[in-house]
Amino acid sequence: GESVGLHLPTLSVQEGDNSIINCAYSNSASDYFIWYKQESGKGPQFIIDIRSNMDKRQGQRVTVLLNKTVKHLSLQIAATQPGDSAVYFCAENRNNAGNMLTFGGGTRLMVKP
Amino acid sequence: EAGVAQSPRYKIIEKRQSVAFWCNPISGHATLYWYQQILGQGPKLLIQFQNNGVVDDSQLPKDRFSAERLKGVDSTLKIQPAKLEDSAVYLCASSLVAGGQKTQYFGPGTRLLVL
Repeated sequence: GESVGLHLPTLSVQEGDNSIINCAYSNSASDYFIWYKQESGKGPQFIIDIRSNMDKRQGQRVTVLLNKTVKHLSLQIAATQPGDSAVYFCAENRNNAGNMLTFGGGTRLMVKP
Repeated sequence: EAGVAQSPRYKIIEKRQSVAFWCNPISGHATLYWYQQILGQGPKLLIQFQNNGVVDDSQLPKDRFSAERLKGVDSTLKIQPAKLEDSAVYLCASSLVAGGQKTQYFGPGTRLLVL
């Protein structure tokens, strides 16, 4: 079936290092992608989004890369900080599906001091 | 700008009881969503409203779940009767008009435990 998934369920990085969280999607009709951060006991928090007509978008300390050829999405976090520890979800929106988002299973990022 | 508000934050009930959750979206957001998030999984959409109309409720278990947004602002989600497998976090999100600005903003969620 159509789904959004993540390669690694847990990622452990040293404080100050860069983090890369990956996501694979299977629906070529998806035209909008979002990364969310979810801390324990909180709702998902918007980090960054990208539309299918782009292959890279940068925010503050975060970069999202989109490779439509292999249906792959990644989130790069520069100079990872303890406050970045959370579960990260990618979500896709299929064209002509209203605004319905399909979420992946999540990757837990653990930052070691 | 105030975010999405939800209440209660926590609820513990016994199976076969009823429960209701409330959501107040970000002011001006026409689209409202209810998600179910089971522990260790990503959120799963239950229902999407555009103003006071239902856009998508294909994944809502209609035999026990119901939702309404009568005045196009606040919304309630009800489970009647609850089952053990309904234990999850129920998230409400809102966005501006679907098809334009698509970013969904989430509330803190209601954590439901069914015993």
